[in-house]
Amino acid sequence: KQEVTQIPAALSVPEGENLVLNCSFTDSAIYNLQWFRQDPGKGLTSLLLIQSSQREQTSGRLNASLDKSSGRSTLYIAASQPGDSATYLCAVSGNTGKLIFGQGTTLQVKP
Amino acid sequence: SQTIHQWPATLVQPVGSPLSLECTVEGTSNPNLYWYRQAAGRGLQLLFYSVGIGQISSEVPQNLSASRPQDRQFILSSKKLLLSDSGFYLCAWSAGSGASYEQYFGPGTRLTVT
Repeated sequence: KQEVTQIPAALSVPEGENLVLNCSFTDSAIYNLQWFRQDPGKGLTSLLLIQSSQREQTSGRLNASLDKSSGRSTLYIAASQPGDSATYLCAVSGNTGKLIFGQGTTLQVKP
Repeated sequence: SQTIHQWPATLVQPVGSPLSLECTVEGTSNPNLYWYRQAAGRGLQLLFYSVGIGQISSEVPQNLSASRPQDRQFILSSKKLLLSDSGFYLCAWSAGSGASYEQYFGPGTRLTVT
């Protein structure tokens, strides 16, 4: 049974700092991995999707990497801003598209 | 562009009452549709998914059911709500087979069962 773990559960950093969020999964037979952002009381916003054949994806200040063999992904946020404060969720899917989520990392960026 | 709608946004219902949550997608055809629940302290859990009209797969045995009466409409229902049904219900869509399965989520429905 696939399990997804995100570390740390919470993170507080000063504005401007670069940071890394971690995601690990137990079964390397994934179809893709997706990172989401969730603001309090809101739905999920897709940030990046990495197909199983890819190693990384970039969007603006965000960079996500995937190491399928070791069951790990990282989300790198450069030059963090207070507007980045949110919960970040990692999810993996098999070839049916069904997502299995981690518990999330709640990020606070202090001005 | 594609958009996904959910209603109602919030709902307070007594135990034992029926439930109907609706999700519709615009700007795409034949999407895969998903219902997730986010309960306090328990993370996001897939409840149902559908690859076409009338085709529903249940992921977790529970008090809920789902239906897909039209291509871009997905409905979550219950005949009698339980306290444990409280949570944040999220609908999502992705392109069908052969695509990347990148999922896009709606704004959610906050359900409180009293």
